[in-house]
Amino acid sequence: GAVVSQHPSRVICKSGTSVKIECRSLDFQATTMFWYRQFPKQSLMLMATSNEGSKATYEQGVEKDKFLINHASLTLSTLTVTSAHPEDSSFYICSARVAGSTYNEQFFGPGTRLTVL
Amino acid sequence: QKEVEQNSGPLSVPEGAIASLNCTYSDRGSQSFFWYRQYSGKSPELIMSIYSNGDKEDGRFTAQLNKASQYVSLLIRDSQPSDSATYLCAVPQEYGNKLVFGAGTILRVKS
Repeated sequence: GAVVSQHPSRVICKSGTSVKIECRSLDFQATTMFWYRQFPKQSLMLMATSNEGSKATYEQGVEKDKFLINHASLTLSTLTVTSAHPEDSSFYICSARVAGSTYNEQFFGPGTRLTVL
Repeated sequence: QKEVEQNSGPLSVPEGAIASLNCTYSDRGSQSFFWYRQYSGKSPELIMSIYSNGDKEDGRFTAQLNKASQYVSLLIRDSQPSDSATYLCAVPQEYGNKLVFGAGTILRVKS
């Protein structure tokens, strides 16, 4: 149980284009999903918290107009990187919290590796 | 702001030995604690959760929690080269459901 998928697993795009990443909870409902970014040999960095049916909460320093988050259902959240540039190249990972969970554990998706040329 | 601290390592142990990973946290009111394993180039995987003082065992893994000392540890028995990874300690924030992660301890198991 508690499986989270992400699609695509890897994407290469040209500078200036937009890229959408999907995060799905496959066997549970997730009222809250989280988006992280991780650069090589660095720690996970939380970008935003996505709540079903409401606006995402972004961490300080993360541009909400550049990283658009939509959490339209209890099993799907999307992250769109708009007008991507080479500095946006990174490993993007989502996680999901089981709806109604008392202990707030998060289950991570496999990640999406974005390369912007 | 909660803080979670781990020794970054690397911690090197021979194959078959016990690996001991430690984590301290700042918020005395924390109720749940998680250990994640992250292989290089992969996403974190939840391997242990612990909520009560004492030990919790799952296969070769044992999590130990001491709330009085604000200390949580992970023991890996019979360490295998496949256990080589970064181990992240995580504690939920009181509000907002976010997890606060330690910097992670790199474990290397040598055959």
